[in-house]
Amino acid sequence: KAGVTQTPRYLIKTRGQQVTLSCSPISGHRSVSWYQQTPGQGLQFLFEYFSETQRNKGNFPGRFSGRQFSNSRSEMNVSTLELGDSALYLCASSPGQSGYEQYFGPGTRLTVT
Amino acid sequence: GENVEQHPSTLSVQEGDSAVIKCTYSDSASNYFPWYKQELGKRPQLIIDIRSNVGEKKDQRIAVTLNKTAKHFSLHITETQPEDSAVYFCAASKTGYALNFGKGTSLLVTP
Repeated sequence: KAGVTQTPRYLIKTRGQQVTLSCSPISGHRSVSWYQQTPGQGLQFLFEYFSETQRNKGNFPGRFSGRQFSNSRSEMNVSTLELGDSALYLCASSPGQSGYEQYFGPGTRLTVT
Repeated sequence: GENVEQHPSTLSVQEGDSAVIKCTYSDSASNYFPWYKQELGKRPQLIIDIRSNVGEKKDQRIAVTLNKTAKHFSLHITETQPEDSAVYFCAASKTGYALNFGKGTSLLVTP
């Protein structure tokens, strides 16, 4: 099976702009989680979707949002970008409803200038 | 919310030695504890996980132990090899899908 894929892999945006990142899970996986990775804060949970429903959300401002489509592909959106949003954004998919065994994609490196 | 502490932050061992990384968690409701390995510029890779109904799990040179009473779990790597060099992250979760990660341990295995 193909692994988790994310597009784009690299992105440079300006403060105040918005950005949309995409994640395609492993075929058959219905749970998709998103994480932000930075050198200072490490890996932090953003949100998770299962069957197009957000089941859990981390401690991030409302500028961070996401959605999941009927084919389990997911997108996350960040509006009004800030310099501190520069990070590696990782998505992970899981085979079961429980969410155990998450497999990560390669990430999208977002740089905000 | 859940707080996961991971120690040490860096660890250097000689090839063939064992390496141990320890994590503690704060939420007694957490029941799932995976470990990830992340090589430079690569995605985190799930290497082993344990659920709260099990005290120990082994997979070849890797083992994880869990002490629910003390709320800590550890990763043990035996017969380390240079290719084991990477950053290792522990995580805890009560849902399975919302992982709370430790800050990571940078492991260096020198030949």
